[in-house]
Amino acid sequence: LAKTTQPISMDSYEGQEVNITCSHNNIATNDYITWYQQFPSQGPRFIIQGYKTKVTNEVASLFIPADRKSSTLSLPRVSLSDTAVYYCLVGERTGGFKTIFGAGTRLFVKA
Amino acid sequence: NAGVTQTPKFQVLKTGQSMTLQCAQDMNHEYMSWYRQDPGMGLRLIHYSVGAGITDQGEVPNGYNVSRSTTEDFPLRLLSAAPSQTSVYFCASSYGTNQETQYFGPGTRLLVL
Repeated sequence: LAKTTQPISMDSYEGQEVNITCSHNNIATNDYITWYQQFPSQGPRFIIQGYKTKVTNEVASLFIPADRKSSTLSLPRVSLSDTAVYYCLVGERTGGFKTIFGAGTRLFVKA
Repeated sequence: NAGVTQTPKFQVLKTGQSMTLQCAQDMNHEYMSWYRQDPGMGLRLIHYSVGAGITDQGEVPNGYNVSRSTTEDFPLRLLSAAPSQTSVYFCASSYGTNQETQYFGPGTRLLVL
C-alpha cells in the first residue's frame, strides 16, 4: 500500500472553502485515492474516491494532478458540522473491506 | 435496516479477563471487518471475513480471535485482555470490495485495567 502524508490538523471558519492535500509519491498504477470522514465518537464514512483528474459529488470535490503523486480534498463553504478527521487512503479499489488508515487530518471549523 | 450494530458500547475489563465484542449487520453484506482505533490515531485492521466460514488476519491480529458462522454476525474475542488492548473497536461491513461500499458501526470503547 502506498504511504500517504497529510497535515495533522487544520483550522477554518464557517463559510470558507477548505482544501486538504495528501501526498502519495509511491502510488501504483492500479491504486485509487479514497477519502473518509470521521466525526467524534462515530465510525468513519466514505466521502469520495477518484483515480485521476477531478471528481465531484454532493459532499466534496477531489482534485488529482496528472502525476497522481498528490491529491486535494476540497470542502466548499464548511460549517461547524464539518469538524471531523479526514483520512486519505491509497490502494487498490478491490481492497475496500481491509482498509488501512493513517492518522488523518483533524479539521476544526470555528464560528 | 439497523445497519451495523455493535454491543456493548462501553466495557471495562481487568487484565486477563476474556470477552466477546458483538457485531451484526442486517444488509446481507458479504464482507465484514474489525478495526481498532487508539487515541489520536487512525484505524488499524485486526481481522476480516470475505464470507461465512472464511476469515483472515489483518494488520494487528495478535490477541484476538474471530469466527463467521453466519452472514450477519462477526464477533471479536479477546482471550486474555491486556492494557495494550484499551482502544475503540469498530466493526464494518461491505457489499463489495470497493471502499465506497464499506459501512462502519458506532464502535465499542474498551478499557482494560
